[in-house]
Amino acid sequence: AQKVTQAQTEISVVEKEDVTLDCVYETRDTTYYLFWYKQPPSGELVFLIRRNSFDEQNEISGRYSWNFQKSTSSFNFTITASQVVDSAVYFCALSGKMGGTSYGKLTFGQGTILTVHP
Amino acid sequence: NAGVTQTPKFQVLKTGQSMTLQCAQDMNHNSMYWYRQDPGMGLRLIYYSASEGTTDKGEVPNGYNVSRLNKREFSLRLESAAPSQTSVYFCASRDGGSMNTQYFGPGTRLTVL
Repeated sequence: AQKVTQAQTEISVVEKEDVTLDCVYETRDTTYYLFWYKQPPSGELVFLIRRNSFDEQNEISGRYSWNFQKSTSSFNFTITASQVVDSAVYFCALSGKMGGTSYGKLTFGQGTILTVHP
Repeated sequence: NAGVTQTPKFQVLKTGQSMTLQCAQDMNHNSMYWYRQDPGMGLRLIYYSASEGTTDKGEVPNGYNVSRLNKREFSLRLESAAPSQTSVYFCASRDGGSMNTQYFGPGTRLTVL
């Protein structure tokens, strides 16, 4: 069975601070994908970033960066110079194999509520 | 492109009533999914359709049925609503190529009294 754990229930920072959201996962699949989604107060789910299990290169995209470490089964997400508009619930998710097709089912963590104060 | 659309946005039902949640995508994706979101529990998969003509159960399928009407549309039906089905329901479709990413609709907030 797959499992995603986001140990931080809520984080509160002041604008311009850097913030890191933690994600730890469990899977028996040798090939899988990891995702971060953002859910702003309006309620929609917005795809942010994706990383596959065979590429551990960490990347930066604008103010977002992520640190994927297979050895510790972690996929942490950092927002640099946070802004009030970053206030949202952030979900880490894992996709492995499903049935006879490759990939598909997403297993979500419980979410981290990020509040950025002006 | 509208992406993934869902109707209705809000719905209130009485216990025992039935209803169908509609979902459509215009991204030519093969796979579609229904999730429910409850406070403190993230999103949980109800049913999915890997391709047109196929459907299968997810983690929490009890009390629901689905229909993959065609490649674009995937509906979720509650035959006899219960208060435990009060939730926010999200439909998603997946780019099954190298991107392998699910894109979500805006959600339906359902309350069962």
